[in-house]
Amino acid sequence: NAGVTQTPKFRVLKTGQSMTLLCAQDMNHEYMYWYRQDPGMGLRLIHYSVGEGTTAKGEVPDGYNVSRLKKQNFLLGLESAAPSQTSVYFCASSYSASGGDEQFFGPGTRLTVL
Amino acid sequence: DAKTTQPNSMESNEEEPVHLPCNHSTISGTDYIHWYRQLPSQGPEYVIHGLTSNVNNRMASLAIAEDRKSSTLILHRATLRDAAVYYCILRDEITGNQFYFGTGTSLTVIP
Repeated sequence: NAGVTQTPKFRVLKTGQSMTLLCAQDMNHEYMYWYRQDPGMGLRLIHYSVGEGTTAKGEVPDGYNVSRLKKQNFLLGLESAAPSQTSVYFCASSYSASGGDEQFFGPGTRLTVL
Repeated sequence: DAKTTQPNSMESNEEEPVHLPCNHSTISGTDYIHWYRQLPSQGPEYVIHGLTSNVNNRMASLAIAEDRKSSTLILHRATLRDAAVYYCILRDEITGNQFYFGTGTSLTVIP
C-alpha cells in the first residue's frame, strides 16, 4: 500500500515550457486535490476532483489545468510555465469530502521555473 | 480566507508536554477541527480531528473549548521528531473540499 505517490520529485523548467505532474493513489479514494506551497506559507488549493471524470477550481487555479481520467490518477498540467509557478506541489486524496475525513498527502514535487 | 489563528512559533523542551493553541472564533456548527503537521521537506500528515468533544489518539490529544471558538493540540511528551509546522484547519461537514491551511505554528523541540 503505497498511499499517495507523485511523479516527478523535482523538475526545472524554462519560462514558457509545459509539463504534467502525476499523482496516483491506491486507496480507492473518490476525492483528490492539488495544492501548492510557497516558501514560508501554508498550502493553497489549486484544483480538486470529486470523482473520476470531474474537476473543480480551488483557491488559486489560474495557469493550471487538471484531468481525472482514471479514479486513481489526478494530473496537474502547466501549459506555459511562469516563474511565479515556482513552488512545491502536493497532491492529496480522501475517501469523501465529509468534515470528519482526513486527507492523505503525497511527498511533493519541487518545481523551479527559470 | 484564513479561518484560524495560530502563533507563528513555539518552543518546547524534549520530553515535556506541548500545548499548541488555535483560535477559530468564526467557526460554524458544521466545521470539524483538524490538525495536521508537516515535517521538513515532507507532505502534511494528519494528526487528529474533532467536532465538539475532546479527542485522544496515539499521536496527540485535542481539547476543544466549550464554545468551540478555540482548541488546543496537546503533545504529551515532545520528542525531536515532533519538530514540525502544525496546522489547525476547519473543515466543513457539507463542503469539506476547501481546506485552508494558514501559516501554522513552527514547533522547535530543544534537546
